[in-house]
Amino acid sequence: GAVVSQHPSWVICKSGTSVKIECRSLDFQATTMFWYRQFPKQSLMLMATSNEGSKATYEQGVEKDKFLINHASLTLSTLTVTSAHPEDSSFYICSARRGRGNNEQFFGPGTRLTVL
Amino acid sequence: DAKTTQPNSMESNEEEPVHLPCNHSTISGTDYIHWYRQLPSQGPEYVIHGLTSNVNNRMASLAIAEDRKSSTLILHRATLRDAAVYYCILRRTQGGSEKLVFGKGTKLTVNP
Repeated sequence: GAVVSQHPSWVICKSGTSVKIECRSLDFQATTMFWYRQFPKQSLMLMATSNEGSKATYEQGVEKDKFLINHASLTLSTLTVTSAHPEDSSFYICSARRGRGNNEQFFGPGTRLTVL
Repeated sequence: DAKTTQPNSMESNEEEPVHLPCNHSTISGTDYIHWYRQLPSQGPEYVIHGLTSNVNNRMASLAIAEDRKSSTLILHRATLRDAAVYYCILRRTQGGSEKLVFGKGTKLTVNP
């Protein structure tokens, strides 16, 4: 299957700082990428959908100015958590899909963010 | 997004078959049934998907009811590595954004 990587795999930062998480599709071109957040013992919550070259579509309740998403190329999307606070501590997971339609969606290994 | 209902948890013994049920009574004609699983501290992994007919692949089988209001993921011989949370998800392919929206899933425990 196709491979999606995330970097970093974990990060610890101070409250008020910004953190950038990268998501890469390693062996295919991803026209659409998705960002999820998962709190302990809970399911994945979709945050936003991004298509290459266009603005991300955010789910209801997700602050677009706080969670900046950039999908500048077909193999890279970034999520920047701005002015992070302890309540932003979570497991952030990206996924990528090749094209429209019912294609399989490939998930990255996740990034564990801890805000002190 | 159409909703799915799964048991919170299930238990199985190693090398025995496992049947994971999923109810989706509000499924529409264009919804595909997808199954993903998530091992602890990892991203979800694709398992299988189908529309109307039963499906088999290397990992599992998917049995879909004739009215499509329920489906069952079948692991033919459970191993300890199959212990994970299994998510049943409906994915709309027309008129929707084709995104995967996760429910709570079923936590599968496999006993040695």
